[in-house]
Amino acid sequence: GAVVSQHPSRVICKSGTSVKIECRSLDFQATTMFWYRQFPKQSLMLMATSNEGSKATYEQGVEKDKFLINHASLTLSTLTVTSAHPEDSSFYICSARDQTRTYEQYFGPGTRLTVT
Amino acid sequence: RKEVEQDPGPFNVPEGATVAFNCTYSNSASQSFFWYRQDCRKEPKLLMSVYSSGNEDGRFTAQLNRASQYISLLIRDSKLSDSATYLCVVNYNNDMRFGAGTRLTVKP
Repeated sequence: GAVVSQHPSRVICKSGTSVKIECRSLDFQATTMFWYRQFPKQSLMLMATSNEGSKATYEQGVEKDKFLINHASLTLSTLTVTSAHPEDSSFYICSARDQTRTYEQYFGPGTRLTVT
Repeated sequence: RKEVEQDPGPFNVPEGATVAFNCTYSNSASQSFFWYRQDCRKEPKLLMSVYSSGNEDGRFTAQLNRASQYISLLIRDSKLSDSATYLCVVNYNNDMRFGAGTRLTVKP
């Protein structure tokens, strides 16, 4: 089946620093990847849609200058949380769409970010 | 109104019980539908797609009613391992929207 990896799985950083999270599709090409955030006991909230070779599309209320997304290849998208604050602590999950499989999305294992 | 609404839950059922989850969506032009399962502190995993004619996968049956904009998931003979949060997902023009999820706990 389609596999999506994320790195790192867990990160603790200090307030004001930046953190980069990688999302890779391992056995398929993903022209579109998605970044979600999930706070405890809440549903997934879409942050942005990342298309290979073009700018990401951000959801309303998500600051594009704070959450930098780069989708430079068909198998890799990165999310950089810049100048992180404690309120950015959350579970960040990426997903990738396999265009050959009726638009099903496959999720990475998530990255738990804690900002101290 | 939320784009995708689900039963609030939680559902606590004994092993072997049959349990049903409901989901409604607001966009009548939605094109495809899915149920995902999410275990605690893990990523969602696709459980099954939902087809207009209804479809079954073992103990799981999904139904779609486009006229009522309603999706359901039925789990028969529930197992302890079915305990998870079940997410209803609706797709329109490659834009997937998730419901808030319904938590299921199956008890011995």
